[in-house]
Order: sequence, then C-alpha cells, then structure tokens
Amino acid sequence: DTGVSQNPRHKITKRGQNVTFRCDPISEHNRLYWYRQTLGQGPEFLTYFQNEAQLEKSRLLSDRFSAERPKGSFSTLEIQRTEQGDSAMYLCASKDILLHEQFFGPGTRLTVL
Amino acid sequence: AQSVTQPDIHITVSEGASLELRCNYSYGATPYLFWYVQSPGQGLQLLLKYFSGDTLVQGIKGFEAEFKRSQSSFNLRKPSVHWSDAAEYFCAVGGIANAGGTSYGKLTFGQGTILTVHP
Repeated sequence: DTGVSQNPRHKITKRGQNVTFRCDPISEHNRLYWYRQTLGQGPEFLTYFQNEAQLEKSRLLSDRFSAERPKGSFSTLEIQRTEQGDSAMYLCASKDILLHEQFFGPGTRLTVL
Repeated sequence: AQSVTQPDIHITVSEGASLELRCNYSYGATPYLFWYVQSPGQGLQLLLKYFSGDTLVQGIKGFEAEFKRSQSSFNLRKPSVHWSDAAEYFCAVGGIANAGGTSYGKLTFGQGTILTVHP
C-alpha cells in the first residue's frame, strides 16, 4: 500500500492556460474524491467517483473544470482557461466503499499568475 | 445540508499543557465525524473517527474526542501537548444520504484550527 499519490506536486501557470492534474488512489479503492483547499480554509468537496462513474459534482465545479476516471483507477482533473481564483491546493482522496475513512494524497498546489 | 464550525481559528498552548479543540456540526442524520491533522506541505492525516457506539473515541498520537449529540459537538482533546503537535486541525462530517439523496461519503470540513505550541 503506497498511499494516494498526486502529480505534479506544484504547478505554476499563466492565466488562460489549461492544466491537468493526476491522482493515483490506493489500489482497489473504488471511490475517489477531489477537494479544493484555499489558504486559510478547510478542503471543499468538488466531485467524486465510484469506479469510473462520476456520481456527484459540487456547484464549485464550473464548466471549466472536468474530471475523469476512465478505467476506475487513476483520475485526472483538468481546468481550462485558468483564472487567478483557481489558485489553490487540489487534494485527492480515496476510500473503500465498505469503509468510511478517506485517505488523502499530498495535493497539487496550483498557482495562476 | 451538512456543515461544520470550528470556532477557534488559532490556539496557542505551552508544551505539556492540555488541549481542547472545538467542533460543532450540523447534519440531518446520524453523523460520521472525523478529525484530521495537516502539517505544512503535508496531506491530511486522520487522527480519529466516530461512527457509532462509545461516544469517547481514541485516536493516534494520544488524541481523543467525545461525541455529544445533544450539543452537536465533537471536540478533540489531548492531555499533554508535544511540540510536534503544532499543525492545523480540521473537523469533518460525512454521512450516508437518506433514500433519494446523493451524498455518499463526501466530507464537509470546518475552517480549521491552527495550533501553536510554545516550549
């Protein structure tokens, strides 16, 4: 069990560019979650998958955001036409459907200039 | 809708002193409650969780928390704080939706409490 991994750990981009983040969950965890954490705040739920199906999306997830989990393993989160307000830490978590504990990755810190 | 309030943004204690971090939640059904700790540059680590049963739960690193349904609280405690406990602490609530609901297992976090430990 290597834990949840996220890549890249840091991303600096210019406003208007597209960025993509990857999350590799703990193997065999069928649920995968994305959260966003801004400075001084707790993580806020964005979306989650059960296997490859995206089951819930937050209102925070505007149409510039898209998430996929094509084979029910790793997931990607893409932000198109980034804005300065997108600057945040993006956290991924996974869990087994039979358990209630979510395991978090180290996060990807996005800075939009 | 579920929500969490952590009234204290920043707490400072001396090493060896006792600690209590407050957490109040709002949730329409039986809550699943969690405390996570986050150190700078690190991900969230689970300290302890409550699902059912004994309302006093023990966690890692000597932490404990007590679920009080009547007060909608889940306060975190430690009898003697160590300098390595300095970090940010988050309370979170999650749960299973009622019939027709869609909120399975997402967590709603509080704003966090930053703990500073003086030597």
